[in-house]
Amino acid sequence: KNEVEQSPQNLTAQEEEFITINCSYSVGISALHWLQQHPGGGIVSLFMLSSGKKKHGRLIATINIQEKHSSLHITASHPRDSAVYICAVTPHNTDKLIFGTGTRLQVFP
Amino acid sequence: DTEVTQTPKHLVMGMTNKKSLKCEQHMGHRAMYWYKQKAKKPPELMFVYSYEKLSINESVPSRFSPECPNSSLLNLHLHALQPEDSALYLCASSPVIAGGTQYFGPGTRLTVL
Repeated sequence: KNEVEQSPQNLTAQEEEFITINCSYSVGISALHWLQQHPGGGIVSLFMLSSGKKKHGRLIATINIQEKHSSLHITASHPRDSAVYICAVTPHNTDKLIFGTGTRLQVFP
Repeated sequence: DTEVTQTPKHLVMGMTNKKSLKCEQHMGHRAMYWYKQKAKKPPELMFVYSYEKLSINESVPSRFSPECPNSSLLNLHLHALQPEDSALYLCASSPVIAGGTQYFGPGTRLTVL
């Protein structure tokens, strides 16, 4: 079993839909990251969280440390949001990121 | 400047060639990373440099040789690669190891013939 699990693996939405991507992890962490990768492209860091909630534009990320769970929400989704969204964690006392397998999102007009 | 740059964008090489990938950042970050990413898979960590010293080598074959000549620059020297080494190679940096957001470059797409 992976230490970082994401769901769903694939997600299709119509423009303007509210989208939620979930991430669960099984190790103690110092931080959780949400990353975005467009097809063929590099990775953009969206959020780094250690508690609570963060908002940037139409994106909202939440984390529940006790439940070892995080969600990424996209409000009023747009076709340009189509990308792979990756959850990654920094475990305690380590220099590494552990990545989830990603959620492939397609938003249609 | 919050950018990590990588050159070249694309590279095609034969199994007997020697080539290098270059990564640069001017954010004053002291940790730099090389990742390898195969299609539809998450990135895999290869190397971590902290204050220009190699901190982590994830048992990467010696045909990949990293180098950190200064705090802004990270190279990956390639020699005698195999076709299965074809992948997207991503560079990232962060203020210090395990210290905050990692900023990723756009990657170099490598094809080994």
